[in-house]
Amino acid sequence: EVQLVESGGGLVQPGGSLRLSCAASGFSFGIYWMSWIRQAPGKGLACVANINPDGSQTYYVDSVKGRFTISRDNAKNSLYLQMNSLRVEDTAEYYCVRAEGRTVVDPWGQGTLVTVSS
Amino acid sequence: DVVMTQSPLSLPVTLGQPASISCRSSQSLLYSDGNTYLNWFQQRPGQSPRRLIYKVSNRDSGVPDRFSGSGSGTDFTLKISRVEAEDVGVYYCLQGAQWPWTFGQGTKVEIK
Repeated sequence: EVQLVESGGGLVQPGGSLRLSCAASGFSFGIYWMSWIRQAPGKGLACVANINPDGSQTYYVDSVKGRFTISRDNAKNSLYLQMNSLRVEDTAEYYCVRAEGRTVVDPWGQGTLVTVSS
Repeated sequence: DVVMTQSPLSLPVTLGQPASISCRSSQSLLYSDGNTYLNWFQQRPGQSPRRLIYKVSNRDSGVPDRFSGSGSGTDFTLKISRVEAEDVGVYYCLQGAQWPWTFGQGTKVEIK
């Protein structure tokens, strides 16, 4: 069974940092593009970052460039999102997802909530 | 960025009746490989999203055949032939033709 389990969310002050993790199981992690997608409370979905299978290519939405870093450890079947200089507007549920063929592939994880507030 | 515009944003439907959601993109989603990367997702209340349709009209495994997708270029539609109670939720289109991948604002389907 394919599983994606996110962790690392929590309450952080503006300007602070958090590192999100995603533990993947049930599929060949090392052959998939992976992405982080976020959803602000009561709002829609937004792609944040993408990474290719070997980690050599990364893509970010403009609003997080220079602040967030997506990375992966294929030996540990894990995806990460290092978030620095956090802003109130980064408050959201963060989902780790598989990507294939220029789309997101099910299933999604349960998400991890990041709250940026003073 | 490619802007995805859905309509309507709220869709009250009577059980057993059809429903239709439009999604328009600011640029063509036809990619250089000949595929059109438009997908539809459903998010039921309190749940994570799940994909229903990929590349315009391909239904995912386990998705009821009352869901169908159509369209081309910049104009796409998700149709539910007969709405059931379990279809309540928010529906999003997603384009994957150009990074950053972008979602529509979401259409909330509710039962009248």
